[in-house]
Amino acid sequence: SSELTQDPAVSVALGQTVRITCQGDSLRNYYASWFQQKPGQPPIFVFHGEDNRPSGIPDRFSGSRSGNTASLTISGTQAEDEADYYCGTRDSSGSHFRVVFGGGTKLTVL
Amino acid sequence: QVQLQESGPGLVNPSETLSLTCSVSSGSMNNYYWTWIRQPPGKGLEWIGYIYYSGATDYNPFLRSRVSTSLDMSKNQFSLRLTSVTAADTAVYYCARATKAGADILDMWGQGTVVTVTS
Repeated sequence: SSELTQDPAVSVALGQTVRITCQGDSLRNYYASWFQQKPGQPPIFVFHGEDNRPSGIPDRFSGSRSGNTASLTISGTQAEDEADYYCGTRDSSGSHFRVVFGGGTKLTVL
Repeated sequence: QVQLQESGPGLVNPSETLSLTCSVSSGSMNNYYWTWIRQPPGKGLEWIGYIYYSGATDYNPFLRSRVSTSLDMSKNQFSLRLTSVTAADTAVYYCARATKAGADILDMWGQGTVVTVTS
């Protein structure tokens, strides 16, 4: 399958570490991009692959991949990290190239 | 700092054509994928397609028959046309920029514009 699957919701205690996962066959060939979206705002690009963090994004955000699963890890989670997180990647498995997104994970900071 | 801004009608009649333009505030449009993404109310992101600075395009297979894009580098703008719209096309439409490194590396987004399909 070329789709991406994410857990709909994840919660984490303030200051703790949380991992948000994304599964899909395309991830065996391409790294994931990760986007943070707060209510009423556009998504923000927060990480790509295993070592690409945009400027201005805190270093508590990191990414990894194993097999068909990509992960976004937030270490020392802050209250302002509460948001929806989407993964995205490239898919060339069909006859046409496309970009696909996961369904999103709602992160709650307790 | 590059900024993207969508513009276009907020209401479109069923069966008609949705047309949006994205204005890029500064910098060159070279070496980027100029992309459209939409988000239906309460739902996730859906990639519509891109136009590369060279003019090459790729579209979501599910929308391919109804979508076209264009690029006007002299005006620092790119545009989206979606024909034969239905209520299912109601969404927030975002324009975004993806880097040359990958069409999924969407590093800049517009604020989004709400488009409602209704008679």
